Amino acid sequence: QVQLQESGPGLVKPSQTLSLTCTVSGAAIGSGGHYWNWIRQHPGKGLEWIGYIYSSGNTYYNPSLKSRLTMSVDTSNNHFSLTLTSVTPADTAVYFCARDGGYCGSTSCHYFDYWGRGTLVTVSS
Amino acid sequence: DIVMTQSPDSLAVSLGERAIINCKSSQSLLYSSNNKNYLAWYQQKPGQPPNLLIYWASTRQSGVPDRISGSGSGTNFTLTITSLQAEDAAIYYCQQYYTASLLTFGGGTKVEIK
Repeated sequence: QVQLQESGPGLVKPSQTLSLTCTVSGAAIGSGGHYWNWIRQHPGKGLEWIGYIYSSGNTYYNPSLKSRLTMSVDTSNNHFSLTLTSVTPADTAVYFCARDGGYCGSTSCHYFDYWGRGTLVTVSS
Repeated sequence: DIVMTQSPDSLAVSLGERAIINCKSSQSLLYSSNNKNYLAWYQQKPGQPPNLLIYWASTRQSGVPDRISGSGSGTNFTLTITSLQAEDAAIYYCQQYYTASLLTFGGGTKVEIK
């Protein structure tokens, strides 16, 4: 059973950096075949894809966040991370990590089959 | 960006009745080389992460009851829940993965029990 667990501070001050880690169990990030995603949900709102990373370190970021966003992967410890700089209250959200279908034969299938439970990050002074 | 628009925003359905949720994309999600529609559906209950229900527009994820089905092609898609059960009360989201560099979701449809 694949499980994902987000961790990180629940409160970040404006202009500071938000850092989260997603620890994966039941699947090896380094074995490839899947992309590892961050998705957020503003309070009471819909879902916003933040970006994904592959085991090789290749990344795709949402253009709206790209200038502030860095994702990294640690295959030895089976986790991946998100860093978002210069946060504002608009970055207050529940942050989810999720695995996507990755490669499905000759195509990619970026739908999300396993999710973490999410962690609420509040940006406030 | 591919914009996903869901309708209605919410609906109330009696137990045992049918719920229909619509999702429209701003451009076609049908990839001609493999004839697949790059669309997924999720169910989210309060305090929980979304749960994958449907992918490729109509393929049911393992464990999803067959009263939940997806249909449609191109730019217009539908999620149908027949014989609504109490546990189906949730918010439902569609998601396109046609553009792998920018994955986008619909705004969500809240299904309540009447």
